[in-house]
Amino acid sequence: AQSVTQLGSHVSVSEGALVLLRCNYSSSVPPYLFWYVQYPNQGLQLLLKYTSAATLVKGINGFEAEFKKSETSFHLTKPSAHMSDAAEYFCAVRGGNTGFQKLVFGTGTRLLVSP
Amino acid sequence: GAVVSQHPSRVICKSGTSVKIECRSLDFQATTMFWYRQFPKQSLMLMATSNEGSKATYEQGVEKDKFLINHASLTLSTLTVTSAHPEDSSFYICSARDNVGGGIREQYFGPGTRLTVT
Repeated sequence: AQSVTQLGSHVSVSEGALVLLRCNYSSSVPPYLFWYVQYPNQGLQLLLKYTSAATLVKGINGFEAEFKKSETSFHLTKPSAHMSDAAEYFCAVRGGNTGFQKLVFGTGTRLLVSP
Repeated sequence: GAVVSQHPSRVICKSGTSVKIECRSLDFQATTMFWYRQFPKQSLMLMATSNEGSKATYEQGVEKDKFLINHASLTLSTLTVTSAHPEDSSFYICSARDNVGGGIREQYFGPGTRLTVT
């Protein structure tokens, strides 16, 4: 079955440091990939998405992600972390072996940002 | 961007009662709506998918008689948790998508409803 794996349930960085959140997908057919952010007791907000156009995708709040087919990865990065980036981040996949209806989420990575 | 609202944001109910959660797309027509359940510090688990005017498609392991989903209009879907039990306590999130025009349409998420069953 289609799935995404997020390595690391927690990632801690200092303010101003590089943010790297990892996501790997499993699919024989390249899917559509998404990164969402969730703040406490809130719904999900789309950060960015890959839909088979450019492999380097820029999103909101300074985040970007690169689709690497050879590594089946879609890691999320931000050059300089802000305190406001502290939240839960979910990688999600749609399409590929799953079909176009379902959005399947990874287990999430909590980003902690220290001053 | 498009907005999806949920009501109520929080609800507390007694065991054995039923509770209804509403999900509305405010500025677009949601041909497909999704209901997710999220346990504390865990990911979102898809419960069911509904297309306007059709019966919902439930994921494996989700009791359709317990979690009643109605998607009677293009802007409203409801989830009714029947005969609620404490183990039904969770954060429920709806999502809506406009499928008109084909392609990869974005899913928009509601703010969630926290259900506590006492």
